Amino acid sequence: SQTIHQWPATLVQPVGSPLSLECTVEGTSNPNLYWYRQAAGRGLQLLFYSVGIGQISSEVPQNLSASRPQDWQFILSSKKLLLSDSGFYLCAWSSTPRVGDEAFFGQGTRLTVV
Amino acid sequence: KQEVTQIPAALSVPEGENLVLNCSFTDSAIYNLQWFRQDPGKGLTSLLLIQSSQREQTSGRLNASLDKSSGRSTLYIAASQPGDSATYLCAVRLQMDSSYKLIFGSGTRLLVRP
Repeated sequence: SQTIHQWPATLVQPVGSPLSLECTVEGTSNPNLYWYRQAAGRGLQLLFYSVGIGQISSEVPQNLSASRPQDWQFILSSKKLLLSDSGFYLCAWSSTPRVGDEAFFGQGTRLTVV
Repeated sequence: KQEVTQIPAALSVPEGENLVLNCSFTDSAIYNLQWFRQDPGKGLTSLLLIQSSQREQTSGRLNASLDKSSGRSTLYIAASQPGDSATYLCAVRLQMDSSYKLIFGSGTRLLVRP
């Protein structure tokens, strides 16, 4: 069966420090991968999505970047965190090209920038 | 641009009551619609997936309907229980370039009182 792992679960980082959040998927090949951010009391905002190794699409201009070095690995990064980067970050995957498939989410990372 | 709206934003009901959560979307060219549940501080759990060609899906006490032409979906919860308390999110899947994005509503926060 397929599983998605996301870590760390919580993170407190000072302003200006770098960030690296990792997401891995097991049990499927060539998944679509997604990074979402959920600010307090708000909906999910799509940040990045990837259809394959090295293929990253950005949805909104921001202080973050994403990379996909392996088919099963999706990394969210920042060189210098801002206070506004605080939030709940969720990784998700879905099968491709079968568009009817469900999307599955990791358990999220709570990031607090202080 | 696709926009997804969920009404109400919050709902409080006594245990045992039947309830309906609403989701509307502005562009009917969707591939599917998915309902999720999110417990506080947790990731998203998929509840029901409705393909664009389907009218409804059922799972236990949950029933989701889809009217693609009018841009509406409802999630019906029968005989609500305190354990149903959570935030419920709907999301539509769109084709964008070579990938498929999920666009989320801002959610309905449900409280079922014992």
